[in-house]
Amino acid sequence: DTAVSQTPKYLVTQMGNDKSIKCEQNLGHDTMYWYKQDSKKFLKIMFSYNNKELIINETVPNRFSPKSPDKAHLNLHINSLELGDSAVYFCASSLGNFLLYNEQFFGPGTRLTVL
Amino acid sequence: GENVEQHPSTLSVQEGDSAVIKCTYSDSASNYFPWYKQELGKRPQLIIDIRSNVGEKKDQRIAVTLNKTAKHFSLHITETQPEDSAVYFCAPNTGGFKTIFGAGTRLFVKA
Repeated sequence: DTAVSQTPKYLVTQMGNDKSIKCEQNLGHDTMYWYKQDSKKFLKIMFSYNNKELIINETVPNRFSPKSPDKAHLNLHINSLELGDSAVYFCASSLGNFLLYNEQFFGPGTRLTVL
Repeated sequence: GENVEQHPSTLSVQEGDSAVIKCTYSDSASNYFPWYKQELGKRPQLIIDIRSNVGEKKDQRIAVTLNKTAKHFSLHITETQPEDSAVYFCAPNTGGFKTIFGAGTRLFVKA
């Protein structure tokens, strides 16, 4: 069984378009994340949600709008795509309890290419 | 906030040699010290972690050592094999909702 899944795996689109990436986890975790990994492999947190509530927003442009319909799903919608948005986007989840050790379980990634 | 540095950024070793990657952090409240491995085109995956009450942990050919006083921890890989070639990330954290990853170390193991 896939623990953290993302769709689509690849996304190629034109500048200015709007696109969405979906993420689901079946681990029963409370916390979910979006990370952006650029071409130099830097892995940067974008958003963190706990029990459907936004906890962390790392000064991401408001063209990026995450949505968590329930604690097993975290989607990412991107408006007016720009060339600099090209990257691999990883969804992840963790137990999320402040007292526990937050091992991150990553999805397979979505490679976004903006032309 | 947490400042995380990893060294070296690139490491090339001969198969069978050892490899060591060091991670330095700034937040003295950090209590969890994981290492993730990301193979080419794949997702990052946890390979070993250590908690603040332990100085060293070993799992077959990999080990992690922690020096809380100096605020650094290291990944040690012995008897390296070509399949160890990957990018390795440290991610020290305080158990909250934000994890800062190091910049990554590209390890090349030459056969």
